[in-house]
Amino acid sequence: DTGVSQNPRHKITKRGQNVTFRCDPISEHNRLYWYRQTLGQGPEFLTYFQNEAQLEKSRLLSDRFSAERPKGSFSTLEIQRTEQGDSAMYLCASSLAGVSTDTQYFGPGTRLTVL
Amino acid sequence: AQSVSQHNHHVILSEAASLELGCNYSYGGTVNLFWYVQYPGQHLQLLLKYFSGDPLVKGIKGFEAEFIKSKFSFNLRKPSVQWSDTAEYFCAVNAPGANNLFFGTGTRLTVIP
Repeated sequence: DTGVSQNPRHKITKRGQNVTFRCDPISEHNRLYWYRQTLGQGPEFLTYFQNEAQLEKSRLLSDRFSAERPKGSFSTLEIQRTEQGDSAMYLCASSLAGVSTDTQYFGPGTRLTVL
Repeated sequence: AQSVSQHNHHVILSEAASLELGCNYSYGGTVNLFWYVQYPGQHLQLLLKYFSGDPLVKGIKGFEAEFIKSKFSFNLRKPSVQWSDTAEYFCAVNAPGANNLFFGTGTRLTVIP
């Protein structure tokens, strides 16, 4: 399968704990995006990378959130001191910049439940 | 700010009925438009996209969408739905040079056999 993959698929944690999610994009894609989706809503943009550079962050991304893409391949999203409001599906997408159809392809997501 | 409106939250149709799902956006400039579909238990998949050119775009599985610039709309259509079209449908917008997508809240389609 050469699509976007995300791990873990599900994460249950207690409030106050730190969690880290991983995203592996489609191999030739140089852009990587993180979105968050809550029940009954569409995905909301969190941040994006072009290669290893984090170029944009949403105001939704509080100081407790940090994302990295150290070698321009996979990315991690860490949430520190989780809160119940962080419970959501975290989606990763990738695209190939520099072509006319910069289309984002999504992974299956990581569902976070904060107890 | 960009926003995307999908006014139909839940649509229920019988098989072979025609489908039209509304999508309106609020952005005055040139936009790229997308419809994504999420089948039960699966991830978001691209259904179709509009970047430029012919405002009537055809996607996978018999879906099409029409971009009407004067109405800021990009409605999704299918002449005859099947039970397998049961899914959630999301409209999304971005402006050229903007890298993130703005999504609508989604429309859940239930097709009754």
